[in-house]
Amino acid sequence: GQNIDQPTEMTATEGAIVQINCTYQTSGFNGLFWYQQHAGEAPTFLSYNVLDGLEEKGRFSSFLSRSKGYSYLLLKELQMKDSASYLCAVRESAAQAGTALIFGKGTTLSVSS
Amino acid sequence: DAMVIQNPRYQVTQFGKPVTLSCSQTLNHNVMYWYQQKSSQAPKLLFHYYDKDFNNEADTPDNFQSRRPNTSFCFLDIRSPGLGDAAMYLCATSRDYSFPFFGPGTRLTVL
Repeated sequence: GQNIDQPTEMTATEGAIVQINCTYQTSGFNGLFWYQQHAGEAPTFLSYNVLDGLEEKGRFSSFLSRSKGYSYLLLKELQMKDSASYLCAVRESAAQAGTALIFGKGTTLSVSS
Repeated sequence: DAMVIQNPRYQVTQFGKPVTLSCSQTLNHNVMYWYQQKSSQAPKLLFHYYDKDFNNEADTPDNFQSRRPNTSFCFLDIRSPGLGDAAMYLCATSRDYSFPFFGPGTRLTVL
């Protein structure tokens, strides 16, 4: 079966660093994605990991450990506009039928001043 | 700008009245997806097209159908909407295994 777990909610203050964890158990693995979704809007792509290690992109970094079924999204120098839901998603297969992403329920991050 | 367009952005229908949601893209992506997202829940994949090949998820109700007449357009048909089908419907596209790019979504209300 498929299971993707993230904390439901997190809070942090402006300027701080926050780490959002994601664990997954899926029948296959062909990449892990992080998306940001503001309330009432569509998800927007943040990062992609398919090999172990850290991918850095500006204030956002994402880490993957395939052997542990674990990823995290690290947000630095938090801003109020970072208040959103952060979705972890896994692609299970490189085959056509498995190209679609399976999403976790998302972590709602609230940034306060 | 290359993009994914969904029409309408807001759709109201009556219980049991068929409704069609549309998605178009100018990205020339070969894969198109339909996701359903209910309030405070994860997007749930309904089905996707890889080129012309239709891939239905095992737990997608028969009430949901899709058509892709050409590369640019994809439609979601809900044959007999129930109250439980009220949700945001998200269309997304990708080039093979690249990250899916989402459209703005259509919020469906069922009265």
